[in-house]
Amino acid sequence: DAGVTQSPTHLIKTRGQQVTLRCSPKSGHDTVSWYQQALGQGPQFIFQYYEEEERQRGNFPDRFSGHQFPNYSSELNVNALLLGDSALYLCASSGLTSSDEQYFGPGTRLTVT
Amino acid sequence: SQQGEEDPQALSIQEGENATMNCSYKTSINNLQWYRQNSGRGLVHLILIRSNEREKHSGRLRVTLDTSKKSSSLLITASRAADTASYFCATASAPYGNNRLAFGKGNQVVVIP
Repeated sequence: DAGVTQSPTHLIKTRGQQVTLRCSPKSGHDTVSWYQQALGQGPQFIFQYYEEEERQRGNFPDRFSGHQFPNYSSELNVNALLLGDSALYLCASSGLTSSDEQYFGPGTRLTVT
Repeated sequence: SQQGEEDPQALSIQEGENATMNCSYKTSINNLQWYRQNSGRGLVHLILIRSNEREKHSGRLRVTLDTSKKSSSLLITASRAADTASYFCATASAPYGNNRLAFGKGNQVVVIP
């Protein structure tokens, strides 16, 4: 049983570009959450997707957008990249029940130059 | 807003010793969770303690929760070199539940063989 998978592992982009990160949830999970983790910091919640809709959103600008597909996989898109967007982006999956544990993927390391 | 906040410590201990780290938070919670992260990779769930629990054990881990002080501690007994990692506490609060966690900044633990 595969856990949460993310692609790519590493990515280097230039300021102003756009990036798309991908996540496949753990088998049986239908809810995907995205987190941003800057170097030396704890993860910060970006948003959560369930039934192909954004259900919750953290304090991130509209440059951060997402999508969830019918197979529950998800994408995180970031437009107009800034140097400050350099971080580890973590995807977590769970069931929608609020007591369900979240399972995290290995992350995508984004570097903006 | 970030709720879980560890005392930002860098612990360096000898193998076999105990490691203790603390976490404080600001608002009412449903539960508090501890995660481990190795070398900037994905997060591994260690233990969850609910707001109506005061202490919980899992193997060599012991977690305490004091809701009156809004604080928690994680004790790792008989540490091993493999315990070298960053440890984060994360809180889940109503109405968001487990699908939106607020993480602290983490504690870096180095266990010297």
